[in-house]
Amino acid sequence: RKEVEQDPGPFNVPEGATVAFNCTYSNSASQSFFWYRQDCRKEPKLLMSVYSSGNEDGRFTAQLNRASQYISLLIRDSKLSDSATYLCVVRIKAAGNKLTFGGGTRVLVKP
Amino acid sequence: GAGVSQSPSNKVTEKGKDVELRCDPISGHTALYWYRQSLGQGLEFLIYFQGNSAPDKSGLPSDRFSAERTGGSVSTLTIQRTQQEDSAVYLCASSPLGRGGSYEQYFGPGTRLTVT
Repeated sequence: RKEVEQDPGPFNVPEGATVAFNCTYSNSASQSFFWYRQDCRKEPKLLMSVYSSGNEDGRFTAQLNRASQYISLLIRDSKLSDSATYLCVVRIKAAGNKLTFGGGTRVLVKP
Repeated sequence: GAGVSQSPSNKVTEKGKDVELRCDPISGHTALYWYRQSLGQGLEFLIYFQGNSAPDKSGLPSDRFSAERTGGSVSTLTIQRTQQEDSAVYLCASSPLGRGGSYEQYFGPGTRLTVT
């Protein structure tokens, strides 16, 4: 079983709609959580950290569910520019300061 | 401020040649990571440096791969006797690590390596 699992998608989203997707992690000792976005043929860029109480950054909302070991990302009022691959990233205590990356969820926002 | 920079941006080499890839991390970041990403695939961890500690080389795929970090700043990833399966994008990331609980990594634009 992979340490961080994501639905690869693609999630086809009409412009202006809301889309949400999850990421599950297998290690209950995971301590830090992030969402990155990666555009085609570009490097990953930090989108947001995920805090225990959940957090929002503009149209993006991240949630953490420790009991069920998943994090979620919700995008409201989707823009064409939101089309990207979203990477779920976890820091596992036993791995020290390394981050474990999920395979990504591809989102395509269409007019 | 300046982000992570990598050079060259593209490298085409013949099978069997050695290549060196360079990474300049964000100033003041104590940790530096190398990853590679094949087309359409996820990130593969290669090696990690933190301060003066011994590097974590657990992700290096073979002894043809090595890396060093001089003066706690610039890092060079060397691939000896390149093979076609080494073709990938090599990404470098740096992290402030732990200061105020910051473990996030910031990536450079990558070096696209093509072995012919």
